[in-house]
Amino acid sequence: DTEVTQTPKHLVMGMTNKKSLKCEQHMGHRAMYWYKQKAKKPPELMFVYSYEKLSINESVPSRFSPECPNSSLLNLHLHALQPEDSALYLCASSDSSTGAYGYTFGSGTRLTVV
Amino acid sequence: AQSVTQLDSQVPVFEEAPVELRCNYSSSVSVYLFWYVQYPNQGLQLLLKYLSGSTLVESINGFEAEFNKSQTSFHLRKPSVHISDTAEYFCAVTRRDSSYKLIFGSGTRLLVRP
Repeated sequence: DTEVTQTPKHLVMGMTNKKSLKCEQHMGHRAMYWYKQKAKKPPELMFVYSYEKLSINESVPSRFSPECPNSSLLNLHLHALQPEDSALYLCASSDSSTGAYGYTFGSGTRLTVV
Repeated sequence: AQSVTQLDSQVPVFEEAPVELRCNYSSSVSVYLFWYVQYPNQGLQLLLKYLSGSTLVESINGFEAEFNKSQTSFHLRKPSVHISDTAEYFCAVTRRDSSYKLIFGSGTRLLVRP
């Protein structure tokens, strides 16, 4: 299995809702990442987990809460989002020894906040 | 800090014509270089990467890129494009001295016309 699987593919949520994005990989990668991509813009790093511990938080607002329950799973919990948070959320993974040069990206979750 | 510049936001080209997508980077430390492709409503796929060795790297679908250290460039070329090459192309860099952070350029939309 050489894929990163993200669910759901599309999500519409209200500003008072709580939802979660899920990411799963079975490549034995020990580093996992969340990126946010606005329309017609490059992806921007949000969080990095290494060996299930949060190692980088790019000053992301607390309404985004990441979680890494085990080495194969990465979640992004969403609460009280704003319409400007609408974007494509991409998950990626890599071997810890390769870091960014070994990224595999998922196909993303397209989030719309109404 | 590292930065990536893709000067062309869109490159229109006719099918079977050659194309070059330009990428320049800035960094005070050694970097690894990448090209990613994003098809509509999809995640990012690694097209090719320069880690070390030969400065000319090739992908399986006919793209190539050449690392030029003196000009700090990593331009992407293809001698003959297909309609199916229409996509967004992102140049990216990461630090060699262990970094999990991939820094993207603003992207170039390649539009192949029949």
